Amino acid sequence: AQKVTQAQTEISVVEKEDVTLDCVYETRDTTYYLFWYKQPPSGELVFLIRRNSFDEQNEISGRYSWNFQKSTSSFNFTITASQVVDSAVYFCALNERRSKLTFGKGITLSVRP
Amino acid sequence: NAGVTQTPKFQVLKTGQSMTLQCAQDMNHNSMYWYRQDPGMGLRLIYYSASEGTTDKGEVPNGYNVSRLNKREFSLRLESAAPSQTSVYFCASSEVSANEQFFGPGTRLTVL
Repeated sequence: AQKVTQAQTEISVVEKEDVTLDCVYETRDTTYYLFWYKQPPSGELVFLIRRNSFDEQNEISGRYSWNFQKSTSSFNFTITASQVVDSAVYFCALNERRSKLTFGKGITLSVRP
Repeated sequence: NAGVTQTPKFQVLKTGQSMTLQCAQDMNHNSMYWYRQDPGMGLRLIYYSASEGTTDKGEVPNGYNVSRLNKREFSLRLESAAPSQTSVYFCASSEVSANEQFFGPGTRLTVL
């Protein structure tokens, strides 16, 4: 069974629109960690956020915000007032106690001027 | 600090050739990882080393071997390259396995 599902494969928005990237995960562990990474067109992978399973507080960092809901096994990522520089592939990932990080297949976000 | 470095950046091999991808980190991290990235597949773990002296298989280990040379360095070897190993390879490290991983710039490998 897929452990991290990013059902959206490609999203296209116009600059200044808000956009939410969905992530649904599956685990039997009570202790786990969730991550989001960004891969811009240049190809490097950039860490955005880490969240542990005991901390359900939402997090905001500038235009970025994350909504973690254990009840629905989701860890969604919202970009407010999107910019062209936000164009990238975004990966959600799950780390369980067995220490392997499992990535979703990624969402390609295109922000048009 | 350079973070995670990988060499080479690009490589073209013929089927059956061997090569080693090098990875080094200067963040004093305990854990290191090798991933491959293929279109539409996300990143898949090949091998990882939770700490110096240990290595374990990931999701797609067939056709690869690894060596954790010391705390800084973790190499990936293709003994007999196949076209199916054409991919972008990323090395990563983390302080401990539960922490965020930091990635190298990647190696684009083509096997003809």
